[in-house]
Amino acid sequence: EAGVTQFPSHSVIEKGQTVTLRCDPISGHDNLYWYRRVMGKEIKFLLHFVKESKQDESGMPNNRFLAERTGGTYSTLKVQPAELEDSGVYFCASSLRGFSGNTIYFGEGSWLTVV
Amino acid sequence: GQNIDQPTEMTATEGAIVQINCTYQTSGFNGLFWYQQHAGEAPTFLSYNVLDGLEEKGRFSSFLSRSKGYSYLLLKELQMKDSASYLCAVSPGGTGRRALTFGSGTRLQVQP
Repeated sequence: EAGVTQFPSHSVIEKGQTVTLRCDPISGHDNLYWYRRVMGKEIKFLLHFVKESKQDESGMPNNRFLAERTGGTYSTLKVQPAELEDSGVYFCASSLRGFSGNTIYFGEGSWLTVV
Repeated sequence: GQNIDQPTEMTATEGAIVQINCTYQTSGFNGLFWYQQHAGEAPTFLSYNVLDGLEEKGRFSSFLSRSKGYSYLLLKELQMKDSASYLCAVSPGGTGRRALTFGSGTRLQVQP
């Protein structure tokens, strides 16, 4: 079974440009999460989808970030326009419906460098 | 607010036992996770504790004390491949909220 896959694995863009990150969760996982780790800091929550609905977007830093999950399958995270402080690793994770200690599986991350 | 503390770095010897501590202060509690992360790879789930006590899974065990806001990850019979970062994460809970709050991670170096 395929795990959580993310694309691209690495991206280098200039300040002011747009980048779109994609996440394909594990098949059948209703819950999809985006997290981010900037250099030297801890992994921080961005938002949580349940199917196509945004359950919690309290971690989104500002309106330059837009996440979508049309159809409740894969998700995209767009950064527009990108700023230098957006550099970091963007992790996607997924889990089955319900909580009760269900394992949350992470992708390998999309490394974003804004220059 | 949410606060999770764990040591930044630890060093241990192959074959030995190491304990990685994690203390937390969160506005709610719905479980504590431990993840292992090798450089450039995805965090890999190790354990989940929601009740007090010890959960054992092979060479790895995790302990939780909710009253003390304290957990530890115990690694036995250390192997070189156990060199990695170990992430403590808490689910603060709340209606519909399943976000994890992570600590900064403990970088473990296993030496021969």
